Amino acid sequence: IAGITQAPTSQILAAGRRMTLRCTQDMRHNAMYWYRQDLGLGLRLIHYSNTAGTTGKGEVPDGYSVSRANTDDFPLTLASAVPSQTSVYFCASSTGVEDTQYFGPGTRLTVL
Amino acid sequence: AQTVTQSQPEMSVQEAETVTLSCTYDTSESDYYLFWYKQPPSRQMILVIRQEAYKQQNATENRFSVNFQKAAKSFSLKISDSQLGDAAMYFCAYRHTTSGTYKYIFGTGTRLKVLA
Repeated sequence: IAGITQAPTSQILAAGRRMTLRCTQDMRHNAMYWYRQDLGLGLRLIHYSNTAGTTGKGEVPDGYSVSRANTDDFPLTLASAVPSQTSVYFCASSTGVEDTQYFGPGTRLTVL
Repeated sequence: AQTVTQSQPEMSVQEAETVTLSCTYDTSESDYYLFWYKQPPSRQMILVIRQEAYKQQNATENRFSVNFQKAAKSFSLKISDSQLGDAAMYFCAYRHTTSGTYKYIFGTGTRLKVLA
């Protein structure tokens, strides 16, 4: 692994189903983030984690949950997917103090 | 709350020419970072350039440079000698610190087309 990986690459999901998007980084970065990207809206922060064991809400957290059991992994869970959660989801990480964010390749999620 | 505005949804430039993408932001903080990210059709977000607010000198990375006007809260990206590979979405981003949280705020993006 080099950098940030996300899985799956894409997914079609029925409304009401539970889904977990996976994110793993091997850079030992303290901070991790989840964004959703929608046309015309740019990237909006869903949840973040400053360090393992802590999480916080971003701009659009409703319908999503996260956990940060260790430094490397930061899964995003949709407990009961709805069509408005159709989007491209990006995971990112940074050292925290050093400012640059590094992004994963994204997951395209379609909720029908 | 901080905001980032990219007022140009789409721009076009002739190959080998120069283009400037605009970005303005609103903040009451004095210390922050600004970024330009590129997103080609592959969807990967790629850091183009970063600027630290306390530095007066404009950042430069090869053909990419910024015009950072702190008082005006403006952070434009200039691409010189445009190449076909520069065609992409470009996002301006602001990073602030609130209680130790390093949150980023992104603009809505500018789609750059490069004409051969």
